[in-house]
Amino acid sequence: QQQVKQSPQSLIVQKGGISIINCAYENTAFDYFPWYQQFPGKGPALLIAIRPDVSEKKEGRFTISFNKSAKQFSLHIMDSQPGDSATYFCAASSNSGYSTLTFGKGTMLLVSP
Amino acid sequence: DADVTQTPRNRITKTGKRIMLECSQTKGHDRMYWYRQDPGLGLRLIYYSFDVKDINKGEISDGYSVSRQAQAKFSLSLESAIPNQTALYFCATSDLRQGYGYTFGSGTRLTVV
Repeated sequence: QQQVKQSPQSLIVQKGGISIINCAYENTAFDYFPWYQQFPGKGPALLIAIRPDVSEKKEGRFTISFNKSAKQFSLHIMDSQPGDSATYFCAASSNSGYSTLTFGKGTMLLVSP
Repeated sequence: DADVTQTPRNRITKTGKRIMLECSQTKGHDRMYWYRQDPGLGLRLIYYSFDVKDINKGEISDGYSVSRQAQAKFSLSLESAIPNQTALYFCATSDLRQGYGYTFGSGTRLTVV
């Protein structure tokens, strides 16, 4: 049973456009929702994270939107740049980080020049 | 030097061979993890350790074993490698005192022929 469902599997966005990646979860005990960015040949790196007490968190061009009632959260990349081309993973954990992270299957983002 | 170092970076081995992947960290984190990445399947947890005397199975532990030799070292062994263990393997660390984010190594690409 996949606990974190991520979509789309791949995404092509023009430079300057908005990239949107969605994730849905089933476990209502999840209380920490990070996004990781992975470039080819590298390990994933923490990009931004949110906790369910807020509906939105913004860091630069990256924004997480969180809908607790729908059990969904999404990553928005504003003014997408070719350098944002990477694989993005959403994840979730429970017990305020005392459990392990469960990852989505990933989204390959290509930002065309 | 990288905070989380994985060796080797690439390895080709034959079916039936025992192989060990090693991970060492300089971050002083108490928690360490082994994940496996396959195209379209995301990151799946193999084993994790919350401290030196704590070892736990993850989602896909069959065919794998681990050893936590010290706080800074966590190795993954494939007892008898099989072709469907061909994958990209990542070690990660975390420490709740420093937040909930994981720090990943650069990965080991393992091919079993």
